[in-house]
Amino acid sequence: KAGVTQTPRYLIKTRGQQVTLSCSPISGHRSVSWYQQTPGQGLQFLFEYFSETQRNKGNFPGRFSGRQFSNSRSEMNVSTLELGDSALYLCASLRGDQSTDTQYFGPGTRLTVL
Amino acid sequence: AQKITQTQPGMFVQEKEAVTLDCTYDTSDPSYGLFWYKQPSSGEMIFLIYQGSYDQQNATEGRYSLNFQKARKSANLVISASQLGDSAMYFCAMRERNTGFQKLVFGTGTRLLVSP
Repeated sequence: KAGVTQTPRYLIKTRGQQVTLSCSPISGHRSVSWYQQTPGQGLQFLFEYFSETQRNKGNFPGRFSGRQFSNSRSEMNVSTLELGDSALYLCASLRGDQSTDTQYFGPGTRLTVL
Repeated sequence: AQKITQTQPGMFVQEKEAVTLDCTYDTSDPSYGLFWYKQPSSGEMIFLIYQGSYDQQNATEGRYSLNFQKARKSANLVISASQLGDSAMYFCAMRERNTGFQKLVFGTGTRLLVSP
């Protein structure tokens, strides 16, 4: 079974630009969540989508948004990039309908904002 | 309040020895799950082991076992017979029922270095 895939793997942007990251979950998984990892703040939950609906959201500004498509693929968008948005963005998938479900992570997208 | 605490920023172990990575947690939710993930330098988070709050026995997965002490709110990871490939960051994480199935709260991690 193929794992979680994320594209692109690396991205360099400048302040003020916007960026879209993509995540394809494991086949059969209906839930996708996103995390931001930085040296200063560690791993922080961004949001979660299940069957195209946002089910949970972390404490991030409105510049961070996401969506999920009918095939469970998800995108997250960051508008008006700031230097502090430089981070590893990790996507995780799980079936989403059991409390014992395990999240499986993708390789991440490393975003650098100059 | 810190929900997941990993007090060991770094740990060293020799190949073939066992090592314990500490994790304590804080929650008032009776239903929760505890996870350990490994993150090599490549960045990908690799799932290692899961323990549910109602599980009666400690979880085991190959060389990994979880020493779950509910009353102490600790969930330490034990790696037996360490290998060079075990060198990585290790994160303890918790998921609480009242915050939804998906939201994981992570500790700050422990960097493990296995020496020959």
